[in-house]
Amino acid sequence: NAGVMQNPRHLVRRRGQEARLRCSPMKGHSHVYWYRQLPEEGLKFMVYLQKENIIDESGMPKERFSAEFPKEGPSILRIQQVVRGDSAAYFCASSQIRGNTEAFFGQGTRLTVV
Amino acid sequence: AQTVTQSQPEMSVQEAETVTLSCTYDTSESDYYLFWYKQPPSRQMILVIRQEAYKQQNATENRFSVNFQKAAKSFSLKISDSQLGDAAMYFCAYRSGGGDDKIIFGKGTRLHILP
Repeated sequence: NAGVMQNPRHLVRRRGQEARLRCSPMKGHSHVYWYRQLPEEGLKFMVYLQKENIIDESGMPKERFSAEFPKEGPSILRIQQVVRGDSAAYFCASSQIRGNTEAFFGQGTRLTVV
Repeated sequence: AQTVTQSQPEMSVQEAETVTLSCTYDTSESDYYLFWYKQPPSRQMILVIRQEAYKQQNATENRFSVNFQKAAKSFSLKISDSQLGDAAMYFCAYRSGGGDDKIIFGKGTRLHILP
């Protein structure tokens, strides 16, 4: 049973380009969460999705960031027109049902904007 | 809004000794879950231990145990017989029992194991 799969592990983008980060949840998991981690800091919640629904996007910047979790395929976190401040590790987590179980994390995607 | 506070940015412990990492949280809810996650240099987030707020008994997983004080909103992690492989960042985390599902993390404690 594969865990949460994120790709790519490392992504380098020039300022102004788009970054697409992918997350395949664990088999049977229908809830996906995205977090951002700056160096030497904890994880900051960005967005919580179920299949085809955004449940909570209170942590997402209002501009340039978007997320989706289609009926088929991985969840995508998209950052348009990246800036240096977007450089961070982005983690995806998935869980089976809401509330009463822990979330399992992927290994993260380290985004570097040059 | 719920918050999680880890007041120790770094700690060190001698190999084979015991260390306790502190965590406090703030919430108005009665139903919630608490977690300790470990993040080694590989960056993989690994669940160490979890505690349901409705359970009075402290959770234990081998060398890892918690001291859960619900009234004080305190959730400390004790690592016994520390090993070199325990060196990592440790994050305390909170999750609501219903409704709001996001996991809220503290800023972490970096644990060094001294040989």
